[in-house]
Parts: sequence; C-alpha cells; structure tokens
Amino acid sequence: EVQLVESAGGLVQPGGSLRLSCAASGFTFSNYVMSWVRQIPGKGPEWVSVISGSGDNTYYADSVKGRFTISRDNSKNTLYLHMDSLRAEDTAIYYCAKRVSGTLPPIRGFDHWGQGTLVTVSS
Amino acid sequence: QSALTQPASVSGSPGQSITISCTGVSSEFGGFRYVSWYQQHPGKAPKLMIYDVSSRPSGISTRFSGSTSGNTASLTISGLQAEDEADYYCSSYTISSLGVFGTGTKVTVL
Repeated sequence: EVQLVESAGGLVQPGGSLRLSCAASGFTFSNYVMSWVRQIPGKGPEWVSVISGSGDNTYYADSVKGRFTISRDNSKNTLYLHMDSLRAEDTAIYYCAKRVSGTLPPIRGFDHWGQGTLVTVSS
Repeated sequence: QSALTQPASVSGSPGQSITISCTGVSSEFGGFRYVSWYQQHPGKAPKLMIYDVSSRPSGISTRFSGSTSGNTASLTISGLQAEDEADYYCSSYTISSLGVFGTGTKVTVL
C-alpha cells in the first residue's frame, strides 16, 4: 500500500524558514516524480514544486521560485521542501504527492497524496 | 497567467449524468493532452479521478470519464451517487509555468 506521510508543519514568523518532509512507502520511490502542492483552506490547490525521480530536475511555481527548494533522498525514501523567506501568503496546507509513471511534462496525474500538514506564517 | 475556468457549481439527481467543464486556451496547456481531474471531499486530500485526459487510475469507477474538445476539457460523472458530492478540480501543465488547477466546481447531489 502506498503511503505518504508529511512531517508536522507549524507556526513560523514572516521571513522565517521551515523544512517539510514526506516519508514514502509502498512503492519504488526513486522511480517516481514527486510534488508538493499547497491549499489555503476553502480555496483551490496550487502546484508548488515538482522533482524528477533522480532528483536531477526540479520545477517551481513562480510564487515560490528562489525561496523554496525541493529535494529528495532516495536512500531514505523521503521528499523534502525547504522554505525560506516565508510570507503570510505561504500559509496553507501542504501536501506531498506521487505522480503516475511516465515522461514529461512534470505536471500530469498525481495518484497518491499525503494527509497534508498546516504551515502558518504569522507574527 | 494561464487560467482554467470551471463552473462554480453543478448539480444532479441520483442516477443522472453530469458534466463539468474546464476551459482555457488550449495552446497554453499543451493542447490539453495532460489534463487531470481531482475530487476533494471536505477536510481530505485531493483524489485523482482522471489523468492524461481520459485515463482512469486503478480503483476509480468507470462512471467517471474525461474528454477534450477545442479549448474545453470535460469530466462526466454517470449514474450520480451521493458519495460523488464533493469539489472537483481540473489541472494541467502549462507551457509558461509549472501548472495550474482550475477554479473548482462544487457538485451537489440533489
């Protein structure tokens, strides 16, 4: 059974940093593109970042480019999102998600999702 | 910025069929070749229902089907059931950015 479990989010001050992790199990982690998606409660989801199976290729939404870094450790079956220079508008539930198999483009169907973790940016 | 527009709400009676549209400029979304559809119940993570326009992931009912025509992608739910009541989002990669979700449609089963 595929499982994706995000680490706890939390409350961070504006300008602060936070690293999220997502522990994966039940599939060959290194074979799959992974993503972070966020959603403000009551609003639609937003793609944040995508990473290839090898980790060699990364993609970012314009809203987080230069501030967030996606990475993965295939030896630990873990996906990460390092968030710097956090802003109030980054407050959201953050989900990690596994993509269906296949080639580019990076955004195709994501067939398994974690339970989500709330990140609140506030002073 | 590329946008995908969906109707805010669609409703139907049990057993009926409904169709949710997702409209955008096809050329901005790679000709809509990689449109996906997600179902989301309150407080839950999105669930993939359709990907690559019309492919169903394992375990998804054949009552859900997808298609495209021109600048519109569509999700059809046949034999509407109470558990289909949820929010639905289309999504696609874009040639100018990472990807976008549609504006979302609330499906109500009457």
